[in-house]
Amino acid sequence: NAGVTQTPKFQVLKTGQSMTLQCAQDMNHNSMYWYRQDPGMGLRLIYYSASEGTTDKGEVPNGYNVSRLNKREFSLRLESAAPSQTSVYFCASSDDSLQAKNIQYFGAGTRLSVL
Amino acid sequence: TQLLEQSPQFLSIQEGENLTVYCNSSSVFSSLQWYRQEPGEGPVLLVTVVTGGEVKKLKRLTFQFGDARKDSSLHITAAQPGDTGLYLCAPGGPGSARQLTFGSGTQLTVLP
Repeated sequence: NAGVTQTPKFQVLKTGQSMTLQCAQDMNHNSMYWYRQDPGMGLRLIYYSASEGTTDKGEVPNGYNVSRLNKREFSLRLESAAPSQTSVYFCASSDDSLQAKNIQYFGAGTRLSVL
Repeated sequence: TQLLEQSPQFLSIQEGENLTVYCNSSSVFSSLQWYRQEPGEGPVLLVTVVTGGEVKKLKRLTFQFGDARKDSSLHITAAQPGDTGLYLCAPGGPGSARQLTFGSGTQLTVLP
């Protein structure tokens, strides 16, 4: 029972490089999310997707793009990485239904350093 | 966006002590969730409180939802090093995904 799987676990980039963070869930959830976590800042929502084919901006979307490829997969792309994007990135999914109370299930995170 | 404030931001205590952390807002929530995040991992749900005034116990952890459903507290009795982690609160409830904002968390360290 994998839950939410994120790849890669660690990544080092140089300023200006691009990369895509991958996320997949096997719980048949409709909603998926990307967060970043910085010391003392808690979790900040970058983008979310309420269903396949739809995406919406969260609190800190600048510098990121997302793709909800299908119901299982939600990727986060950094087109031109900046040192300010050094962070730990978490993907999560939830069953956004009346009964589910929107419990979020998180992946183990991707630790990204931009030099 | 429903804003949640958590306090204290950091807490370091000795094993065996009791502690309480708080999650406050000016907004009313249909439910509220508590998560714990251990180092190097993602947050994991501990509990969801739904009814105003509700008290839920999870072993040595006691969660309370305020009568007005605007705040919540987490009390840990006889803390252990295994309780070390970041405690986060978040609004729950269907449809809240689009407005979901986690509190900034309380970083708890329990020293042996």
